[in-house]
Amino acid sequence: AQSVTQLGSHVSVSEGALVLLRCNYSSSVPPYLFWYVQYPNQGLQLLLKYTTGATLVKGINGFEAEFKKSETSFHLTKPSAHMSDAAEYFCAVSGGNYQLIWGAGTKLIIKP
Amino acid sequence: ETGVTQTPRHLVMGMTNKKSLKCEQHLGHNAMYWYKQSAKKPLELMFVYSLEERVENNSVPSRFSPECPNSSHLFLHLHTLQPEDSALYLCASSQDIVSGVFYNEQFFGPGTRLTVL
Repeated sequence: AQSVTQLGSHVSVSEGALVLLRCNYSSSVPPYLFWYVQYPNQGLQLLLKYTTGATLVKGINGFEAEFKKSETSFHLTKPSAHMSDAAEYFCAVSGGNYQLIWGAGTKLIIKP
Repeated sequence: ETGVTQTPRHLVMGMTNKKSLKCEQHLGHNAMYWYKQSAKKPLELMFVYSLEERVENNSVPSRFSPECPNSSHLFLHLHTLQPEDSALYLCASSQDIVSGVFYNEQFFGPGTRLTVL
């Protein structure tokens, strides 16, 4: 069975600092991995996804994530945080059976 | 209208009421989903429709009844709900599901905030 763990329900960084949001997964099959972002009063929007091929994936708004099979991780990073990055971020894994398994989400807080 | 729309955006209902949530996608997708989003809990998949056929029902109580009359519209009929059903209900759509695997992007609507009194 697949599962997703996001470390930290809240992460606070200063504007201009590195953003690191952690995601670990378990999957019995080769995983497809996703990061979504949810801004207040909006639905979720895809940031980036890993299916096959290059393990470093670039997404929108300057975010990227690296698939590390040995560590079963798919952490999301951005070199320099911007105030507009304040939102909730969700990691998800797909292994089949019509299910996307979601993490509980991490709220990113940007300090001026 | 573009993307995925949901109506109403907010709904307050008593436990004896019957109401419906509506979702419409303008993206030409063939798969549609209902999710429940509760505070501090992972997103819960409720129902999946592919080409208007229900392909997944995650042990959702019968007080939630989905309907997919065509590939652009999805409804969630609600009756005799409980206060613990209060949550944000999200609709999403995507291109075809292939062999039950999600590798296509899902596009989400803004959700309906449901409060059950």
